[in-house]
Amino acid sequence: GQNIDQPTEMTATEGAIVQINCTYQTSGFNGLFWYQQHAGEAPTFLSYNVLDGLEEKGRFSSFLSRSKGYSYLLLKELQMKDSASYLCAGGSNYQLIWGAGTKLIIKP
Amino acid sequence: DAGVIQSPRHEVTEMGQEVTLRCKPISGHDYLFWYRQTMMRGLELLIYFNNNVPIDDSGMPEDRFSAKMPNASFSTLKIQPSEPRDSAVYFCASRGQGFGIQYFGAGTRLSVL
Repeated sequence: GQNIDQPTEMTATEGAIVQINCTYQTSGFNGLFWYQQHAGEAPTFLSYNVLDGLEEKGRFSSFLSRSKGYSYLLLKELQMKDSASYLCAGGSNYQLIWGAGTKLIIKP
Repeated sequence: DAGVIQSPRHEVTEMGQEVTLRCKPISGHDYLFWYRQTMMRGLELLIYFNNNVPIDDSGMPEDRFSAKMPNASFSTLKIQPSEPRDSAVYFCASRGQGFGIQYFGAGTRLSVL
């Protein structure tokens, strides 16, 4: 079957680093997306991996291992505004499978 | 570009009433997606269109739900009759050709009493 798994909730401290993991099983695979969703708002695009390796974008980085069906989102220098849900989504042109999201709680 | 535009932002209705949600995708985007999000089930794909043609409606819960895309700049999602279990946030998203980024509208928060 097709599935995307990610932790339900994580807690981290302001200024620290946190890694949110995502494992996937999809019938076709072109790449993997990470989206951020603040409470009461729409998901917004964060990053996108097609090839294996690390993609860095400021404080956010995303990693993909296609052979392992695994990705992670790394957030550095955490700020209170990073408190949000982070959704992992992967698949093909024809079907994108979404994870349930990881709620990230940042404590001062 | 103004992004994906959805209306209304909030809708409160009574059970049995018809509800119509509207979406204007980003100009030039060929794909349009309708999603529903609840705490229990997360983000669920209901239906998507490519060049105004419905491609996959397997996520539509039942015959009470219907979606149309009469032209490249407008789509509707209709629920008739509505039921309390339809209460959710409904998102519309669009993207261009290929395996690209989906851009979401602000969503419609639907409450069916």
